[in-house]
Amino acid sequence: DVKVTQSSRYLVKRTGEKVFLECVQDMDHENMFWYRQDPGLGLRLIYFSYDVKMKEKGDIPEGYSVSREKKERFSLILESASTNQTSMYLCASSFQGANYEQYFGPGTRLTVT
Amino acid sequence: QKEVEQDPGPLSVPEGAIVSLNCTYSNSAFQYFMWYRQYSRKGPELLMYTYSSGNKEDGRFTAQVDKSSKYISLFIRDSQPSDSATYLCAMNGNNFNKFYFGSGTKLNVKP
Repeated sequence: DVKVTQSSRYLVKRTGEKVFLECVQDMDHENMFWYRQDPGLGLRLIYFSYDVKMKEKGDIPEGYSVSREKKERFSLILESASTNQTSMYLCASSFQGANYEQYFGPGTRLTVT
Repeated sequence: QKEVEQDPGPLSVPEGAIVSLNCTYSNSAFQYFMWYRQYSRKGPELLMYTYSSGNKEDGRFTAQVDKSSKYISLFIRDSQPSDSATYLCAMNGNNFNKFYFGSGTKLNVKP
């Protein structure tokens, strides 16, 4: 079974804090994704990585950065958290050329106060 | 205009009913069409995907794509309470790494 794990299920942070969200997959997938999910807006892609140290911006990269130092691990960084970044964050992974088959983690519910 | 439109529901049906879930889209370049199921407090899981037009069946689930109308559907036969979840459609086109998701339809199957 493919497993995508995320470091925290729930996280509460204060405005201005630096926040790290970690994602690990165990299927040797080349591609990894970070999405945020908000009611009425669906899933929106923040960043995508197709290889170690490689990344592409998604639809809403502002206020976020990412790091992929190892193939199995993809980190999302909120440099200075703001209240409008309160959301559900979902990590996903897939094989190269099979992006239609993405495997998602359970999500991290982040609240910024 | 959103790239993908999906009725948020909620849709409430009795057990055993046939359920029809739908999405419309605006970009004729979309080629891959996916349906994900998301249970409460869980990540989405892929149900099935279809390439281009046509139907695809998997057990009680049938995915249908009508590219001429820019309309996709997911049918669930003999619906069960365990089918109660939010169903998300997703699709992509020329940029193979970029997917567009619908906002999800919440389905409740009553015993």
